Amino acid sequence: DTGVSQDPRHKITKRGQNVTFRCDPISEHNRLYWYRQTLGQGPEFLTYFQNEAQLEKSRLLSDRFSAERPKGSFSTLEIQRTEQGDSAMYLCASSFSTEQYFGPGTRLTVT
Amino acid sequence: GIQVEQSPPDLILQEGANSTLRCNFSDSVNNLQWFHQNPWGQLINLFYIPSGTKQNGRLSATTVATERYSLLYISSSQTTDSGVYFCAVEGNYGQNFVFGPGTRLSVLP
Repeated sequence: DTGVSQDPRHKITKRGQNVTFRCDPISEHNRLYWYRQTLGQGPEFLTYFQNEAQLEKSRLLSDRFSAERPKGSFSTLEIQRTEQGDSAMYLCASSFSTEQYFGPGTRLTVT
Repeated sequence: GIQVEQSPPDLILQEGANSTLRCNFSDSVNNLQWFHQNPWGQLINLFYIPSGTKQNGRLSATTVATERYSLLYISSSQTTDSGVYFCAVEGNYGQNFVFGPGTRLSVLP
């Protein structure tokens, strides 16, 4: 078991571009979570999947954000028409029951 | 929604000192975890502790669910303990974590 992995680790993009991040959870973890963390703050919940079903979305997840987990394994988070305010660390976590395990994160910088 | 507070916000220690970090939460919880975030941003699981007491080496944690707080104890601190410590809770009616603002610990040699 190699833990939760995320790709890319860093992404620099220009305002207005679309970006997509990938998360591979710990194998056989049925729950997958996305969080966003800005400098000096704790992570904030974005969305949650149980298997392939997206069960909960935060109000932080504007309509420019979309997440999928098509086969109940890996997940993607897409941000369309990026804005400078989207600059943050995007964290993925997975769990089998309750204890969550986090990936290393994708640091997004929007210039 | 559930509110999480952590204290102190910042803590500076000399190597070898002991410390206690506190997490208060506003409602009943299904899940409570303590994390250490290293300088590269990785959140490292320390404890899954919705109630009771656990120990792992120099670290221990206690959660008193009925009084809605948890404590993280670090003994004989080392410079590698530096970083931000987060408490995160999951309420009884939600599946997502709510994180506290963190305690930034600096251990000086």
